[in-house]
Amino acid sequence: DTAVSQTPKYLVTQMGNDKSIKCEQNLGHDTMYWYKQDSKKFLKIMFSYNNKELIINETVPNRFSPKSPDKAHLNLHINSLELGDSAVYFCASSRSGTSTDTQYFGPGTRLTVL
Amino acid sequence: SQQGEEDPQALSIQEGENATMNCSYKTSINNLQWYRQNSGRGLVHLILIRSNEREKHSGRLRVTLDTSKKSSSLLITASRAADTASYFCATDSNTDKLIFGTGTRLQVFP
Repeated sequence: DTAVSQTPKYLVTQMGNDKSIKCEQNLGHDTMYWYKQDSKKFLKIMFSYNNKELIINETVPNRFSPKSPDKAHLNLHINSLELGDSAVYFCASSRSGTSTDTQYFGPGTRLTVL
Repeated sequence: SQQGEEDPQALSIQEGENATMNCSYKTSINNLQWYRQNSGRGLVHLILIRSNEREKHSGRLRVTLDTSKKSSSLLITASRAADTASYFCATDSNTDKLIFGTGTRLQVFP
């Protein structure tokens, strides 16, 4: 069974479009995250939610809007896509969101904006 | 930036050799974690070391932490081709947010 799953795995779209990435975890964790990994493999946190409540909101353009319908799901909606949004987006989850928790990562969604 | 930096950026070795990767960070921490990322996959947690620990072992992995130098090292002994991956350190900077380093790409040749 996949612990943290993301869909789609690949997303190719035109500039200006709006797209969503979905994430689900079946680990029973309270905290979920979105990370962005750029072409140089630099991984940066974007958002975290604990039990559907926004906890971490890094300096991310407001074109990015996370939504957590329940604690097992954290979706990422991106409006007006730009070339610089091209990256691999990873969802992750952890038991309670503390820094000693292990974070479990999904397989990633490779977003290409043309 | 609080970002950690791994050194070297890339490392190529033969199977059976040991691989050592270093991580330096800038602010005080509660703990430091190491993760592995296989090509095209998500990160996988390897080991966590707390700020009051100096060394930790897990199988073929040995992690050290020197808080006075703000650095950590990951040693993989008797490397295998399957160890080929990128390795990242992650620090918490006394928050619940993990800051990942720039990664070391390890290539192990059979």
